[in-house]
Amino acid sequence: DSGVTQTPKHLITATGQRVTLRCSPRSGDLSVYWYQQSLDQGLQFLIQYYNGEERAKGNILERFSAQQFPDLHSELNLSSLELGDSALYFCASSVVGRGAGEQFFGPGTRLTVL
Amino acid sequence: SQQGEEDPQALSIQEGENATMNCSYKTSINNLQWYRQNSGRGLVHLILIRSNEREKHSGRLRVTLDTSKKSSSLLITASRAADTASYFCATDAVSDDYKLSFGAGTTVTVRA
Repeated sequence: DSGVTQTPKHLITATGQRVTLRCSPRSGDLSVYWYQQSLDQGLQFLIQYYNGEERAKGNILERFSAQQFPDLHSELNLSSLELGDSALYFCASSVVGRGAGEQFFGPGTRLTVL
Repeated sequence: SQQGEEDPQALSIQEGENATMNCSYKTSINNLQWYRQNSGRGLVHLILIRSNEREKHSGRLRVTLDTSKKSSSLLITASRAADTASYFCATDAVSDDYKLSFGAGTTVTVRA
């Protein structure tokens, strides 16, 4: 158990809909990272927050947004969903603000868009 | 885009044998990490090697790093069935060190 929690574990929705994925980092970790894992694209970095502020952006679509709250939990919002958004979404956390350190991954949320 | 590429894509070995997988990357890095992922589950950090290190050990794991060739290898000795998983290398580029870039992974199957 990494100490990172993600909810929900599974999400099934329809195209055009909007969903919110939630992540609670390990106690004491200030950084939260979001990743998307799909068969064709592999593991892609989406976005990082550090202590409430956006720190780095990766291959995140404009339809996706995220935020980190004062209690350090984070939410990833996916809107106008398309079939291609079906994937595993992972949250990870770390102590450091840079991506150089060890990251602790949550169990993931499996999103299926029908 | 992915910075690292693992080789081979898949590996099948007998329990007790050693497993070696390689990772190549494109740009100068600060660190290189290896992660393990059991089917459909979250990634687990295995080891981090800094750009000024050449070799690192952790239990049955041995990692080497050759920055001149921009490559790394992960050796798992005396493999066990529980080592069956996908293994990913991840790098943070000097030019973009807020991000970890993951390779496509090597899928290792350890046969009993």
